[in-house]
Amino acid sequence: QKEVEQNSGPLSVPEGAIASLNCTYSDRGSQSFFWYRQYSGKSPELIMSIYSNGDKEDGRFTAQLNKASQYVSLLIRDSQPSDSATYLCAVPFLVNYGGSQGNLIFGKGTKLSVKP
Amino acid sequence: EAQVTQNPRYLITVTGKKLTVTCSQNMNHEYMSWYRQDPGLGLRQIYYSMNVEVTDKGDVPEGYKVSRKEKRNFPLILESPSPNQTSLYFCASSLGASINGNEQFFGPGTRLTVL
Repeated sequence: QKEVEQNSGPLSVPEGAIASLNCTYSDRGSQSFFWYRQYSGKSPELIMSIYSNGDKEDGRFTAQLNKASQYVSLLIRDSQPSDSATYLCAVPFLVNYGGSQGNLIFGKGTKLSVKP
Repeated sequence: EAQVTQNPRYLITVTGKKLTVTCSQNMNHEYMSWYRQDPGLGLRQIYYSMNVEVTDKGDVPEGYKVSRKEKRNFPLILESPSPNQTSLYFCASSLGASINGNEQFFGPGTRLTVL
């Protein structure tokens, strides 16, 4: 069963706070992990990818990966109202017949609201 | 400008009237995919294509067809649309499979309503 789980939210944080978004996945063999941001009515856009255990930082965003716990998170520091969006966690799963192909499975997303 | 384009952006149609949503990318990407997005269900993959003439089913392929005759184009065909296919559709492309760490680039979306 291919599953990517996220809290649907909404997650509400005050401006300037740290927003913490969490994601768990069911495929222990998954190696790549993606965080997409989607503004209402718009298409998803990639904000972070992570492949190794530990933290990866890019500006105000930090992705954290723990493969043993099958858990990936996204921290947004100094949250801004412009960060208000739905954040999608995406994990590629191996297709059953093998090979390097893999369907990208998206979580249902966490809606973040940053209050001024 | 590197981009994925979809047409039409909005479409209202009636049950049973065949339609095609076009998707085109100008990034020379091997991998293309179609998703539908529904409230409470998230993004679900319909079909994907690893290369020209290579297509495979995603998680929700029923009622849809695709073709990949050229690298840049990946049209989505609804032979006999039904109201349960009312949804927001996204086309996406990437250099290769996501399992190899390739980022998917999304088109602007097509909002389809089937009456």
